Order: sequence, then structure tokens, then C-alpha cells
Amino acid sequence: KQEVTQIPAALSVPEGENLVLNCSFTDSAIYNLQWFRQDPGKGLTSLLLIQSSQREQTSGRLNASLDKSSGRSTLYIAASQPGDSATYLCAVRGSYNTDKLIFGTGTRLQVFP
Amino acid sequence: EPEVTQTPSHQVTQMGQEVILRCVPISNHLYFYWYRQILGQKVEFLVSFYNNEISEKSEIFDDQFSVERPDGSNFTLKIRSTKLEDSAMYFCASSDGTQSLETQYFGPGTRLLVL
Repeated sequence: KQEVTQIPAALSVPEGENLVLNCSFTDSAIYNLQWFRQDPGKGLTSLLLIQSSQREQTSGRLNASLDKSSGRSTLYIAASQPGDSATYLCAVRGSYNTDKLIFGTGTRLQVFP
Repeated sequence: EPEVTQTPSHQVTQMGQEVILRCVPISNHLYFYWYRQILGQKVEFLVSFYNNEISEKSEIFDDQFSVERPDGSNFTLKIRSTKLEDSAMYFCASSDGTQSLETQYFGPGTRLLVL
């Protein structure tokens, strides 16, 4: 059974720092992995999707990498800003034959001025 | 930019009552999903829907739950007889389904409180 873990659970950094959020999954046979941000009491905003055949994806200050064999993905945020404060979730889709995303517990990020 | 919308944003109901949560997926999307998040817990998959039928459902999605696409734009989740443990944020999502566009886009959620 696929388990998705995110470390750290919470992170507080000063504005301007580059930071890395980690996501681990127990079954390396995934179809894709998606990173989301969730603002308090709000929905999930999709940030990046990485297909299993890809190593990384970039969008603006965000870069997500995927190492399937080791069951890991990282989300790199460059030059963090207070507006980046949110909970970041990763979710894996197990195979082409399943639609469901299996979510991690999230990393709550606070960027202070 | 197109987005998934959900109504109502909040709903309070008495245990045993029926509730219907509504979603309008992104217009050209073909795959629709419901997830839920109990306070302080992970987001959990409930059901996926394609071509007017359920394509996959989780163990949570028992006989108390049903989904429907009553017209070309709405997608609903019905809980027939709500329990206290159904209190959660319910998210609707949709995706295009083609290989290059499999991102699931989530709505803002409906917060359901069962008393």
C-alpha cells in the first residue's frame, strides 16, 4: 500500500531564503506526482506535475525533482517570499489504471519578513 | 483562467440528514473527482467519475455516498444519511485526462459540519 510522507512537517524561514521541501513514497511504481499548495481553510492549488518519465519540472521560482528509484521528490523554492506561506502537499498517482491521488501530510511553511 | 467551483462553501446539517454538495468542473474536462479532508488529516480520495459512471472508488465511498452528473456542467456528491464522522472539507476536482494534461484541478471546497 502506497504511503506518502513529507518532511519537515513545519518550516519557518526568513524572507529571501532558498528552501527545499521533501516528499517520500514507499512504492516507486508511480505514474506521476503532483505538488499543491493549500492556504488555510482553502482549496488546493496545483503547482507542478511531474510524469514518472521526467526528472524535474520548473515553474517560476519553483522547481520539483523526482527520483523514482529512491521514492523521493523535492520541491525547491527560490528566494522565498511571505506570500509563499502555506501548506505544501505532494500527491502521487500510482499507475495509469488508477485515478486517485494519494496525498502526503504536508509541510506547513511560514516565510517571515 | 478556468477554475472548479463548489457550492455551498459551508454547510451545517443534523446527523441523519441528506446533503448534496455541488461542483462545476472546468468546462472541457472529462474526469471528475471527489476528495475529502477531515480536520488535521490527509486529503483522501473518495471517487472518480468518467463517461457518466464511477471509474474508481475508495473504501470510504460506501452505500451512503453517491455521485451524479445531472447535466452538462454540474457534478454532485450526495450523502444520504450523514454521520458525525462525515464532518470534513470536501473537494471536487477535474482533469482533462490526456497524458500531457493530467493535472487534477481542485475547487475551493465545501466545509461540511454534521451535528
